[in-house]
Amino acid sequence: EAGVAQSPRYKIIEKRQSVAFWCNPISGHATLYWYQQILGQGPKLLIQFQNNGVVDDSQLPKDRFSAERLKGVDSTLKIQPAKLEDSAVYLCASRSLDRIDYGYTFGSGTRLTVV
Amino acid sequence: KQEVTQIPAALSVPEGENLVLNCSFTDSAIYNLQWFRQDPGKGLTSLLLIQSSQREQTSGRLNASLDKSSGRSTLYIAASQPGDSATYLCAVRKSSAGGTSYGKLTFGQGTILTVHP
Repeated sequence: EAGVAQSPRYKIIEKRQSVAFWCNPISGHATLYWYQQILGQGPKLLIQFQNNGVVDDSQLPKDRFSAERLKGVDSTLKIQPAKLEDSAVYLCASRSLDRIDYGYTFGSGTRLTVV
Repeated sequence: KQEVTQIPAALSVPEGENLVLNCSFTDSAIYNLQWFRQDPGKGLTSLLLIQSSQREQTSGRLNASLDKSSGRSTLYIAASQPGDSATYLCAVRKSSAGGTSYGKLTFGQGTILTVHP
């Protein structure tokens, strides 16, 4: 099966600009996650979708971050306006609810640099 | 709040050595624990998944153990190779079937492994 696709791979923007990341999960995976990984740290969950509904966005900085998952498939994560501390790798992951013993499948990530 | 700690933060070994990476977690109410590998500039690759009812899982030269009651897991790598050089992350998944944290993974900060020829 195809993996989790993310784009772009790299993005450099100036602070206060906006940016959007895209994720296409594995076909049929109902659950989709966005994680933020700051250099030298483990990934931190930003938001979790089940189908097209938000399950957990408790750690999403909602004043500047937004995410949507239209039709329960692709997802977009947006930052507006960006701050220097948003520099990180943004990872998308998906998981099937049909096989609850399966782990997660992660995409390659988008590396964001805010200057 | 679940906290995951990995020791050591970095490890450098000569090729051929057997090594152990450690992971500890504060809340033993976990559904499963997963070990990932991350190469520089890349995403995460799943290595081993241990369900809370299991004690260990093996894949090739990798063996992961889980002691849920003590909140510990170890990843054993036999006969290390330069290609094993990467960051190794452990992550635990909460066991509650309901609530907003269902399915959420909590990660450690990772162990950076360097295997030199």
